[in-house]
Amino acid sequence: QQQVKQSPQSLIVQKGGISIINCAYENTAFDYFPWYQQFPGKGPALLIAIRPDVSEKKEGRFTISFNKSAKQFSLHIMDSQPGDSATYFCAAMKGGANNLFFGTGTRLTVIP
Amino acid sequence: DAGVTQSPTHLIKTRGQHVTLRCSPISGHKSVSWYQQVLGQGPQFIFQYYEKEERGRGNFPDRFSARQFPNYSSELNVNALLLGDSALYLCASSLRLAGALQAGELFFGEGSRLTVL
Repeated sequence: QQQVKQSPQSLIVQKGGISIINCAYENTAFDYFPWYQQFPGKGPALLIAIRPDVSEKKEGRFTISFNKSAKQFSLHIMDSQPGDSATYFCAAMKGGANNLFFGTGTRLTVIP
Repeated sequence: DAGVTQSPTHLIKTRGQHVTLRCSPISGHKSVSWYQQVLGQGPQFIFQYYEKEERGRGNFPDRFSARQFPNYSSELNVNALLLGDSALYLCASSLRLAGALQAGELFFGEGSRLTVL
């Protein structure tokens, strides 16, 4: 059973455009929601993360929007660049737990 | 400073064989976690070790085992390999135990890609 559902599976965006990736969860015990970026042949690297007491968090061109009532969160990449082409994973963690639950990933391709 | 290092980077085994994967955490990190990433999927939690003790186990069969050594390095062992065990095995290290863990403190290695034929 997939604890965190992610869409779309793949995304193609023009350079300078906005990339949007969505995730949804059911378990209300989750209290930490990170996004990871993974390049081919590399391990996942933390991009940005949010807690449910905040509705939005922005770091540079990356923004997480969080809707606690809908149990959804999304990643927005502004001014997308070809170097952003990678696979993005949303994840969730329960308070006091010891592991992350990952989404299935979104392969982003930014066309020059 | 060196990040999380894993070995081997690639290996090929046949069904029924045994495999041992190794991980060295970031210097000073006492916790090591293992994740399995099947092609096209997100990583799935296998184990976490802290101070040489198992502190968490995911939904994997007993063919999977792990241990952590006094220097905090770790091994993941998989017995009786199945075709479905083909995956990228990721090791992640963190400074603290999970209860105080923030996901931002979890650092992943580049993984060991296992192919089972």
